[in-house]
Amino acid sequence: NAGVTQTPKFQVLKTGQSMTLQCAQDMNHNSMYWYRQDPGMGLRLIYYSASEGTTDKGEVPNGYNVSRLNKREFSLRLESAAPSQTSVYFCASSYDRSYEQYFGPGTRLTVT
Amino acid sequence: AQSVTQPDIHITVSEGASLELRCNYSYGATPYLFWYVQSPGQGLQLLLKYFSGDTLVQGIKGFEAEFKRSQSSFNLRKPSVHWSDAAEYFCAVVHGGNAGKSTFGDGTTLTVKP
Repeated sequence: NAGVTQTPKFQVLKTGQSMTLQCAQDMNHNSMYWYRQDPGMGLRLIYYSASEGTTDKGEVPNGYNVSRLNKREFSLRLESAAPSQTSVYFCASSYDRSYEQYFGPGTRLTVT
Repeated sequence: AQSVTQPDIHITVSEGASLELRCNYSYGATPYLFWYVQSPGQGLQLLLKYFSGDTLVQGIKGFEAEFKRSQSSFNLRKPSVHWSDAAEYFCAVVHGGNAGKSTFGDGTTLTVKP
């Protein structure tokens, strides 16, 4: 039981490049989330998915897109990376009603 | 709008001393409240949660938290801190609904002195 896995662990991009962050969970959770974490700012929700086939914007969605490929996988895409997107990105998942979230180990992204 | 405030950005305590981390929330309905811990370079791990019932909840690693509705607070406590407790601690409130979307506080960094 791996829990929530994220790839890659580290990534460096140049401004304007695109990339996709992958997330998968093996806990049969319905809800999945993408957060970014910046120093002194806690976690901010980028997008979430309440169930397979649905996605909704969170607090800071600009510059990002997501895909809920199936129940297990939830990817985050940066179409044209900007230095302001330098951050640590966390994926999380939860059951519908217990609401506690299980987090992946994070992806550290640097945009130069 | 829902919000979570952790007034202390950084706290330093001596090993063996007691600890209290403060959390205040603003939420219109009955809140679901959580404390998470993040060790350096790691993801967040759930320490404890409050949904309803007994307002004093026990968590992992010897932590407990008390929900006080009158003060809109959910403070985290530990009677005797260990060096391994040094980490960043986040309080979170859940908005409810099917997605369980959370709002996190900005975190409190705990340093433990030997």
